[in-house]
Parts: sequence; structure tokens; C-alpha cells
Amino acid sequence: QQPVQSPQAVILREGEDAVINCSSSKALYSVHWYRQKHGEAPVFLMILLKGGEQKGHDKISASFNEKKQQSSLYLTASQLSYSGTYFCGTEIDGGSYIPTFGRGTSLIVHP
Amino acid sequence: NAGVTQTPKFQVLKTGQSMTLQCAQDMNHEYMSWYRQDPGMGLRLIHYSVGAGITDQGEVPNGYNVSRSTTEDFPLRLLSAAPSQTSVYFCASSRTPGDEQFFGPGTRLTVL
Repeated sequence: QQPVQSPQAVILREGEDAVINCSSSKALYSVHWYRQKHGEAPVFLMILLKGGEQKGHDKISASFNEKKQQSSLYLTASQLSYSGTYFCGTEIDGGSYIPTFGRGTSLIVHP
Repeated sequence: NAGVTQTPKFQVLKTGQSMTLQCAQDMNHEYMSWYRQDPGMGLRLIHYSVGAGITDQGEVPNGYNVSRSTTEDFPLRLLSAAPSQTSVYFCASSRTPGDEQFFGPGTRLTVL
């Protein structure tokens, strides 16, 4: 079942922060995050496993709340290079463990 | 390492034609998958394989066939192309389904 991402789009100025949310109606085993720049392939950011993980990746970090069946991606002090579409992929706990991707959140960072 | 390669990069077909999208990886990954990406729809799984000789359907398998005779190659066949199959197709591979996926550069397909 496809996870729901919010917001659909975010427009920022350099240096501002953003939060992208990913939620599921089913219990999750893991959440994957990818970024795709225009005209390119998606690129892996991080995977969070159930157990309430938090991970960081330079100024991009994420949390996973398995009780709420949701994950949030935090982008702090946004840079122009952060522009792109962010996708979350979720693995259902007890399911096939094949990730299903959301529809994406478009992030545009202006100078 | 070349990673994941896809050919062709662009293709235009007429309705009813058939073709094969090629995908290869040199990372010895067991898991390979095909996605289609349409505006506003995200990445939708077409077919996947957890190893040579093993394939299964994803969310949107109709109109597509796959086979996996070797670990390296995972071709996607369109049997009789339809305009609804106009899309960007990505192949991906990973060590297991739950690991980091490496995506190929994509094939942009237009069916007239």
C-alpha cells in the first residue's frame, strides 16, 4: 500500500529548514528515503528500521516513529543542491519486505 | 564498476509494437526491480526478481513480462505497446529487497 507524503511541494530560500512527512496505514518494518534531481535517477539517502531510529546525513536527518507508522525527513539550513523530489519507500512489517514508494515531495530551494 | 546500466535511453514506439528494455548490473546483487515513473504518481513497481530464475509481479505488471536468466541481467518486455505505457522506466538493484537500491539512468518511452 502506497505511503502518503506531505506536503506535495515545498518552496524555500537558502538557509531555511524543511520537514517532509511519510505516513502509512499499516505497521512498518522500515522506511527508505531517496532524492531525485530533475532528469536523473533517484539516489539513496537513508534507511530507518523499526525501533525508533533516527539517522543523520550531513544536514539531512530523519526519524521513524513506528507507533505512529510515520517517518519525517528534516532538511536544515537548505542549500541549492537540496532541490529535487524526495521519495519515501516503506516496507510493511510481516509483508513481502518489498518497498513501496510514495508520490514524492517536490522541494525547490531559491537563492 | 558501471553500476546499473539501461538501454536505450530514449525510445518511440507505435501502438502494438513490442520491444525489450535492457537492464544490467555488475554489483552481484540478488534483487532487481523495474519501476515506471509518471508525473505525480511516484515510482510504481512493475516486476521484481530476488535471484536468477525467480521473478514476481509488482503493483502494475499488466502488459509487461520479465525474465532473469543470469544474476546480471533483468530485461523488461513490452508485448504490445499502448499509449498508457508512455513513461520513464527505471531499473534498480540491491543486495536484498530491503537494502539501498541503486537505480539505472532510466529509459524514456513514448508510445504513439
